[in-house]
Amino acid sequence: DVKVTQSSRYLVKRTGEKVFLECVQDMDHENMFWYRQDPGLGLRLIYFSYDVKMKEKGDIPEGYSVSREKKERFSLILESASTNQTSMYLCASSPRMTGKREKLFFGSGTQLSVL
Amino acid sequence: DAKTTQPPSMDCAEGRAANLPCNHSTISGNEYVYWYRQIHSQGPQYIIHGLKNNETNEMASLIITEDRKSSTLILPHATLRDTAVYYCIVQKGSARQLTFGSGTQLTVLP
Repeated sequence: DVKVTQSSRYLVKRTGEKVFLECVQDMDHENMFWYRQDPGLGLRLIYFSYDVKMKEKGDIPEGYSVSREKKERFSLILESASTNQTSMYLCASSPRMTGKREKLFFGSGTQLSVL
Repeated sequence: DAKTTQPPSMDCAEGRAANLPCNHSTISGNEYVYWYRQIHSQGPQYIIHGLKNNETNEMASLIITEDRKSSTLILPHATLRDTAVYYCIVQKGSARQLTFGSGTQLTVLP
């Protein structure tokens, strides 16, 4: 069964801390994504990556950075966590579009609380 | 990408078919209709997608009207585990262009 694994289910951090959220997929997918989900706002794309060492900004990249050193791993970094970054973070992956439309495979999410 | 409209909530009796409607009246010719669902406290799960023909897989059926302005997701025999938020999405290109709206909260009642 295909799998996208996020390192933590729940995380509590303090304001100003550097936070790493890890995501690993075992499907050899080229594309990986980070979203955050907030009540009433749906899923919003933070960053995505089409290949190793490649990254592109999504709709809300401010306050975040990402790293993709290996194909299977995509990390989201909060350089200095703030309370408005309290949210559910979702990682997803998809195969590269080959004429058929991509479909996303999501992890279970990390609920991050910044105090 | 085209916008979609879904009812905020629906109930369905266990064992009955659940029919979830979606309006996408501004859909363009090369846009696909996708359905995902999100069970509480989990990540969204892909269900099915289609362009203009009806589609069926092991999870559900997708009926798209001839003018493509609306579609219906059918869960043929709903179970309690199908209780979730169902998202209808119109997608033109790559997955980065997906926009998840508010979806429909489906509650399957025993």
